[in-house]
Amino acid sequence: EAQVTQNPRYLITVTGKKLTVTCSQNMNHEYMSWYRQDPGLGLRQIYYSMNVEVTDKGDVPEGYKVSRKEKRNFPLILESPSPNQTSLYFCASSFGENTEAFFGQGTRLTVV
Amino acid sequence: QKEVEQDPGPLSVPEGAIVSLNCTYSNSAFQYFMWYRQYSRKGPELLMYTYSSGNKEDGRFTAQVDKSSKYISLFIRDSQPSDSATYLCALSGSARQLTFGSGTQLTVLP
Repeated sequence: EAQVTQNPRYLITVTGKKLTVTCSQNMNHEYMSWYRQDPGLGLRQIYYSMNVEVTDKGDVPEGYKVSRKEKRNFPLILESPSPNQTSLYFCASSFGENTEAFFGQGTRLTVV
Repeated sequence: QKEVEQDPGPLSVPEGAIVSLNCTYSNSAFQYFMWYRQYSRKGPELLMYTYSSGNKEDGRFTAQVDKSSKYISLFIRDSQPSDSATYLCALSGSARQLTFGSGTQLTVLP
């Protein structure tokens, strides 16, 4: 089954404790992105990647890191999480720019 | 000013009603227009995709794009309780992929 898989689905952590949210896709997509979704603000892009070893900032990259060492994986790293990073996070992948994006199930992160 | 503005809702309609969801945008570089549907506790899923001005129909759904006015709409005919979800417009025109509206929460009452 074609899918984008995120882990974990739910995470509660404390301020400053480094964490990684994993994302993996099995559709051989070139493009991958991370979004955060907050009430009233919709989905905002954090980082995106057009191919292996090619990443770039989206609209809200502060406090986040990403890497794309393999085509199928695109982890999101929070080196020192803060409460304002409490949000619902989605990973997405697509064949190319301007094509349909397939989303994961989401990761609900709470930073206390 | 946001690049994409979407009517916030929430919207509550009786079953069978015609629903109109709307977005406006400011960036002429947007060339691809999509509507995503997001059920509670799920990721968004593509509902409609178009890249030209005019109408595109798919069953009970019609996507309308007016590039001259920078205005896009999604119409749902004969709405059903299963249509209850959040609808997000999404626009694209560069390698940054998608820029989303804030979403409209729709409830269709049986």
